[in-house]
Amino acid sequence: DGGITQSPKYLFRKEGQNVTLSCEQNLNHDAMYWYRQDPGQGLRLIYYSQIVNDFQKGDIAEGYSVSREKKESFPLTVTSAQKNPTAFYLCASSSSSGLEGYTFGSGTRLTVV
Amino acid sequence: ILNVEQSPQSLHVQEGDSTNFTCSFPSSNFYALHWYRWETAKSPEALFVMTLNGDEKKKGRISATLNTKEGYSYLYIKGSQPEDSATYLCAWNSGGYQKVTFGTGTKLQVIP
Repeated sequence: DGGITQSPKYLFRKEGQNVTLSCEQNLNHDAMYWYRQDPGQGLRLIYYSQIVNDFQKGDIAEGYSVSREKKESFPLTVTSAQKNPTAFYLCASSSSSGLEGYTFGSGTRLTVV
Repeated sequence: ILNVEQSPQSLHVQEGDSTNFTCSFPSSNFYALHWYRWETAKSPEALFVMTLNGDEKKKGRISATLNTKEGYSYLYIKGSQPEDSATYLCAWNSGGYQKVTFGTGTKLQVIP
């Protein structure tokens, strides 16, 4: 079955460390996205990518980095520069138009200790 | 960032009751309106994507309407069942695949 796989489900990080969240899709979708969810807020866009080797900053990109070396993969690195990294992170993908809606992964909960 | 607002924030209904909730969005720069269902411990699942003013979509007991001129969409659930318990998210797409702003969701609890 096609879908999006995010790993790990839970992640603990010490302050000052970078950490990479994995996102893989086998839906042949062109576009991929990273969102962050905080309590009481809607999903906020971190980064998005429409094609391989190209990606754009979303609304809250500071302290994050991404790569898109393969169509199937869009890993997100939370760097030590991210001031408040503890959050729930969702990866999504869609066709290039987005008009079929987004397909989401099951999320990664990152806790900085 | 222009806001997408959903109301109510949460509600409890008895099994068998019908219910509805609202998504309000800016009426300018409309491209599409998405509805998602997000069950606990699962991934958000797309319910509907609506693009035209007056659109009505239906999937089983769930339906949605769209008014782009006044900037709102309603989601209706007829005869609520416990398995309908979830958070329902709407998202306003203001143009292009990536310009999607999500609301904070309506959390529905259906009591058996």
